[in-house]
Amino acid sequence: GQQVMQIPQYQHVQEGEDFTTYCNSSTTLSNIQWYKQRPGGHPVFLIQLVKSGEVKKQKRLTFQFGEAKKNSSLHITATQTTDVGTYFCAGLGGTDKLIFGTGTRLQVFP
Amino acid sequence: DGGITQSPKYLFRKEGQNVTLSCEQNLNHDAMYWYRQDPGQGLRLIYYSQIVNDFQKGDIAEGYSVSREKKESFPLTVTSAQKNPTAFYLCASSREGVGAYEQYFGPGTRLTVT
Repeated sequence: GQQVMQIPQYQHVQEGEDFTTYCNSSTTLSNIQWYKQRPGGHPVFLIQLVKSGEVKKQKRLTFQFGEAKKNSSLHITATQTTDVGTYFCAGLGGTDKLIFGTGTRLQVFP
Repeated sequence: DGGITQSPKYLFRKEGQNVTLSCEQNLNHDAMYWYRQDPGQGLRLIYYSQIVNDFQKGDIAEGYSVSREKKESFPLTVTSAQKNPTAFYLCASSREGVGAYEQYFGPGTRLTVT
């Protein structure tokens, strides 16, 4: 079945450093969504990418969808302590269900 | 206030007992979902419903049951057949159930079975 993997599983950075998480699917995706879950909280939708090669920005966050629509990345510039949490990608493949990635937990040290 | 509510926030049960987790939404969404999250893990789909009176099994449906008698409500029953029920349970909804729309999550219920 369809699988969505994320790397790295954990990332610890010093405040001000950049951070990137990568999402890879075993199948071509119709779209990809990104969510953020703060410690002890619930996932919150960040963005959706639909087109091949699409790039979207939200302040310090940059999201990319690969040309082959099988991978995606989230890049945070100059991390802040408020960026702490787990970032999940979720892709829509050949089924009618979103498949969530394994998540990347980000820890930011002040 | 529009959103999804789950209750209770924490739930403790003895092994062998069935327990029902509540999920209500007032977003007028057609689709609703139940996910399970274990410590340090991603989200695994238990059941989902794209419309009232209809639901489908997700990836880990064994030991769980659901109903969708009203658009607003999608309760999940964790039965005694579920081998490892202790987990964080998240309910979500979306405008439609074809994966093209963002999912809104409730605050979750932490279930502990001893």
